[in-house]
Amino acid sequence: AQTVTQSQPEMSVQEAETVTLSCTYDTSESDYYLFWYKQPPSRQMILVIRQEAYKQQNATENRFSVNFQKAAKSFSLKISDSQLGDAAMYFCAYRRSLDFGNEKLTFGTGTRLTIIP
Amino acid sequence: DSGVTQTPKHLITATGQRVTLRCSPRSGDLSVYWYQQSLDQGLQFLIQYYNGEERAKGNILERFSAQQFPDLHSELNLSSLELGDSALYFCASSAALWGAGYTFGSGTRLTVV
Repeated sequence: AQTVTQSQPEMSVQEAETVTLSCTYDTSESDYYLFWYKQPPSRQMILVIRQEAYKQQNATENRFSVNFQKAAKSFSLKISDSQLGDAAMYFCAYRRSLDFGNEKLTFGTGTRLTIIP
Repeated sequence: DSGVTQTPKHLITATGQRVTLRCSPRSGDLSVYWYQQSLDQGLQFLIQYYNGEERAKGNILERFSAQQFPDLHSELNLSSLELGDSALYFCASSAALWGAGYTFGSGTRLTVV
C-alpha cells in the first residue's frame, strides 16, 4: 500500500522569506501523481500544485514550486516570498495514475505552517 | 465557491443517532469521494462512487454507508453514532480524467455529544 510521510508537524517562517516543506512517499508504481493541498483556518482544502511522475521538470505555480526526486521518492514544496495568507496546514498527497475510476488520494499527516510578521 | 456543495455545514447530534450528509459534485464530475478528517489529523479515505456505482472503499465503518444517485449527488449515512465519529467530513469530486485533481467541498463538521 502507498504511504505518504510528512516528518515536519510544524514549521514557521518570517514573512517574505522562503520555506520548504518535506514529503516522502512509498510506492511500487512507476506512474503516479503527487499533490500539495493547503488547508487554511477555514478548513477548505485547496489544491496548491501537482506533479506528474513521468515529468522530469518540477512543477511551479507562482510562488510555489516543488522539488521532485523520483528515485528518492521525495516531493518537497518550496514557498517563496512567504505571505501571511500562506499560513495553513499543508498536506502532501499521492494518487496512482493507472486505475481509472479509482483515483483515491492518500494523504500525509500534514505540516502546520506559521508565518511570522 | 469550489462548485462542490456539502450540506449541512455543521451538525450536532447525540450518541446513538443517525445522520445523513449530502454532497453535490461539481457540474460534469462523475466521481464522488468521501473523506473523514478527525481533529488535527490527515484525511482518511472512506469511499468512492463513480457514475452511480461504488468503485473503491477505504476504512469505512460498517455503521457508515453511502450512495450516489442518478443525478450524481451523493449521501453519506452515519448511524449508531459514537463520540469518536466527531470529525470533519469532506466530499470531493473529479472528472475522473488522468491527473485531474480533486475539487473539495467545504466539509460538514459533525459533533457527537
